[in-house]
Amino acid sequence: DGGITQSPKYLFRKEGQNVTLSCEQNLNHDAMYWYRQDPGQGLRLIYYSQIVNDFQKGDIAEGYSVSREKKESFPLTVTSAQKNPTAFYLCASSIPGNYEQYFGPGTRLTVT
Amino acid sequence: GDSVTQMEGPVTLSEEAFLTINCTYTATGYPSLFWYVQYPGEGLQLLLKATKADDKGSNKGFEATYRKETTSFHLEKGSVQVSDSAVYFCALMDTGRRALTFGSGTRLQVQP
Repeated sequence: DGGITQSPKYLFRKEGQNVTLSCEQNLNHDAMYWYRQDPGQGLRLIYYSQIVNDFQKGDIAEGYSVSREKKESFPLTVTSAQKNPTAFYLCASSIPGNYEQYFGPGTRLTVT
Repeated sequence: GDSVTQMEGPVTLSEEAFLTINCTYTATGYPSLFWYVQYPGEGLQLLLKATKADDKGSNKGFEATYRKETTSFHLEKGSVQVSDSAVYFCALMDTGRRALTFGSGTRLQVQP
């Protein structure tokens, strides 16, 4: 079955540690996105990539980094510079020219 | 910049009641509009979409019409079920970034 996988579903880290969230898709989509969701709020765009080896900052990129070395993968690193990293992180992908985005199941990150 | 405003929730209805969730937007040009649904602990699923003015998106008994004159995309369903209980997000596509701008979400609770 085609889809987007994010792992793990729950992640716990100590403050000051970097952590990498996985996002893999087998939909053959060129574009991939990372969003952050906080309780009672909508999703906010962290980073996006329209093509392999290229990515752009979204609205809240500070404290995060990404890479796009393969079409299928778009990992997100939450660095120690991110002041409030505890949140629900969602990855999405889409076909160029087709604006419908497909979402993964999300990773809930808790930093204490 | 682009923005989406949704009615605040939670919206609590009895089964078989009529549902309206209001959504208005501010954007340059005529963006594509979407409704996504999020069930507890899960990612987002596309519910319906409309890509131009006067288009009506529909799916699973839900409908929304793209109203250019009022910059609105209100979600409606004639008879809700307990299984419709979820958080509903209105979103528009930023044609430049090809990324979604979301409203804050509206929680719907349907009681038997």
